[in-house]
Amino acid sequence: AQSVTQLDSHVSVSEGTPVLLRCNYSSSYSPSLFWYVQHPNKGLQLLLKYTSAATLVKGINGFEAEFKKSETSFHLTKPSAHMSDAAEYFCVVRTGGYNKLIFGAGTRLAVHP
Amino acid sequence: DADVTQTPRNRITKTGKRIMLECSQTKGHDRMYWYRQDPGLGLRLIYYSFDVKDINKGEISDGYSVSRQAQAKFSLSLESAIPNQTALYFCATSDADDRYNQPQHFGDGTRLSIL
Repeated sequence: AQSVTQLDSHVSVSEGTPVLLRCNYSSSYSPSLFWYVQHPNKGLQLLLKYTSAATLVKGINGFEAEFKKSETSFHLTKPSAHMSDAAEYFCVVRTGGYNKLIFGAGTRLAVHP
Repeated sequence: DADVTQTPRNRITKTGKRIMLECSQTKGHDRMYWYRQDPGLGLRLIYYSFDVKDINKGEISDGYSVSRQAQAKFSLSLESAIPNQTALYFCATSDADDRYNQPQHFGDGTRLSIL
């Protein structure tokens, strides 16, 4: 069975410093992985998706994630945090062939001036 | 206009009441989903529908029912609301083509409080 674990429930960084949000997955076959972001009072917006074409995936707003099969990880990074990045981030794995998603518990990112 | 619209955005009601949450989409997607979000638990799937005649239970369907009135409309009902159904509810849609890892597109959510 597939599952996803987000290793940090809260991450706090200073504006202009790097962001690292950690995600480990469990899958019996090649997974489909996504990162979504949720800003306050808004729905979830897709940041990026892993399609097996490349292990380093670039998303919107300067985010990227690297798929590491040996470590079963799909960590999200950004070189320089901006105040507008403060939000909750979800790592998601897709199950089977019917686009059913399993969500991690979320990581709340705080960005300080 | 939003591609996936949920109404109402907020609702406060009492235990035992029947509640309907509505979702409509203009994306032309065949697949629609209902999730609930609770703090620290991420989103969990309640029901999903692959087309008007195909409705399936998700992992937490007890106490909920759905209706797919048209390709663009998918409503979620709580027949007799209870306090532990207080949550943030999301509707989502996706394209039916599974070949390209299609993402799901989410509405802005309905915050439901049951007293």
